[in-house]
Amino acid sequence: QQPVQSPQAVILREGEDAVINCSSSKALYSVHWYRQKHGEAPVFLMILLKGGEQKGHEKISASFNEKKQQSSLYLTASQLSYSGTYFCGTPSGNTGKLIFGQGTTLQVKP
Amino acid sequence: KAGVTQTPRYLIKTRGQQVTLSCSPISGHRSVSWYQQTPGQGLQFLFEYFSETQRNKGNFPGRFSGRQFSNSRSEMNVSTLELGDSALYLCASSLGDSGYNEQFFGPGTRLTVL
Repeated sequence: QQPVQSPQAVILREGEDAVINCSSSKALYSVHWYRQKHGEAPVFLMILLKGGEQKGHEKISASFNEKKQQSSLYLTASQLSYSGTYFCGTPSGNTGKLIFGQGTTLQVKP
Repeated sequence: KAGVTQTPRYLIKTRGQQVTLSCSPISGHRSVSWYQQTPGQGLQFLFEYFSETQRNKGNFPGRFSGRQFSNSRSEMNVSTLELGDSALYLCASSLGDSGYNEQFFGPGTRLTVL
């Protein structure tokens, strides 16, 4: 079951904040977040694990609500370099098979 | 540490041909996953290999196959190419084969089928 991301797209000015949400209908072992710029491969941002552990990007924060099967990515004081498409990925069971959401396109303007 | 490498970066083939794509994972990583990315379908899981064994397979026809070698390098093969196979094919490497391991993507191979 594909996780659902919201919003689908967001436009910001530099310095503004944004929140991207990811919801699943299944229990989650972890949530993975990636950013992909046009014409490039997805870049790993963060992984949030059951139990509260997080690994990843120092300048980006995220939350993982295991009971609600939801995760949110918080982009504060956005920079032009934050522009791109953000994907959340959830494993199928406790395996390396990631099911990705449809993506959220973020555009940061000067 | 060198990242994930994929070869070739670009391929143009015609319908009916077959193609082999290669992926070298990050040193020490034993798991390799393959994904297909298209504008219409997004990022879709193809298969996952760990220690030369296929652990998971996505919903793709049997024309799509793969394997992993003892040095963890992986190849995927697509036979009898169709126009709809045009896509960016990404491989990702990981230390292990669980949902607790981060996956790091290579630059991808862009396949165009004419």
